Amino acid sequence: GAGVSQSPSNKVTEKGKDVELRCDPISGHTALYWYRQRLGQGLEFLIYFQGNSAPDKSGLPSDRFSAERTGESVSTLTIQRTQQEDSAVYLCASSTREPTDTQYFGPGTRLTVL
Amino acid sequence: AQSVTQPDIHITVSEGASLELRCNYSYGATPYLFWYVQSPGQGLQLLLKYFSGDTLVQGIKGFEAEFKRSQSSFNLRKPSVHWSDAAEYFCAVATSGTYKYIFGTGTRLKVLA
Repeated sequence: GAGVSQSPSNKVTEKGKDVELRCDPISGHTALYWYRQRLGQGLEFLIYFQGNSAPDKSGLPSDRFSAERTGESVSTLTIQRTQQEDSAVYLCASSTREPTDTQYFGPGTRLTVL
Repeated sequence: AQSVTQPDIHITVSEGASLELRCNYSYGATPYLFWYVQSPGQGLQLLLKYFSGDTLVQGIKGFEAEFKRSQSSFNLRKPSVHWSDAAEYFCAVATSGTYKYIFGTGTRLKVLA
């Protein structure tokens, strides 16, 4: 079966522009996560979706970051008015409902803000 | 607050040599512990995980890890490294019953032929 997919794989943008990153989770996975991985750093939790529950947005670094998810499928992470410090790899993961279930990661989107 | 420390940023070993990657965590109760591997251009792949029970956990690709509560450690080991093991390895911790993983900063493994 297909794994988690993300698009685009690479995105170069100019400072101040908005960007949208897309994540397609594994079919049937109700939980979806976004992480940010800066160069030389570990993964930072950004946001968590579980079914129709209110998302946990506690990891979003500023109000320029937002994310949506349509039901239990595709999610988009939007960064408005991008800054150079937003340059990073953005990773999406999905899992089944149980917290102990493995998170399966996509290949990531590498965002470069010039 | 929970934290994960991977003290070695880079490790270089010769092919066929044994490997141990260190991971220390800070958490009051028994955590859920994970090791992931990230190969160039690939997403993270789970190698193994520990929730409870036997403290020696076997994973994929010949890896194992041992949970040592007294040392707050969850070190990853492999008896004989292959060139294809060159990658970045991440240790992660989660509180029981929650979904938030706290990741270490990673250890980059280089394998010499």
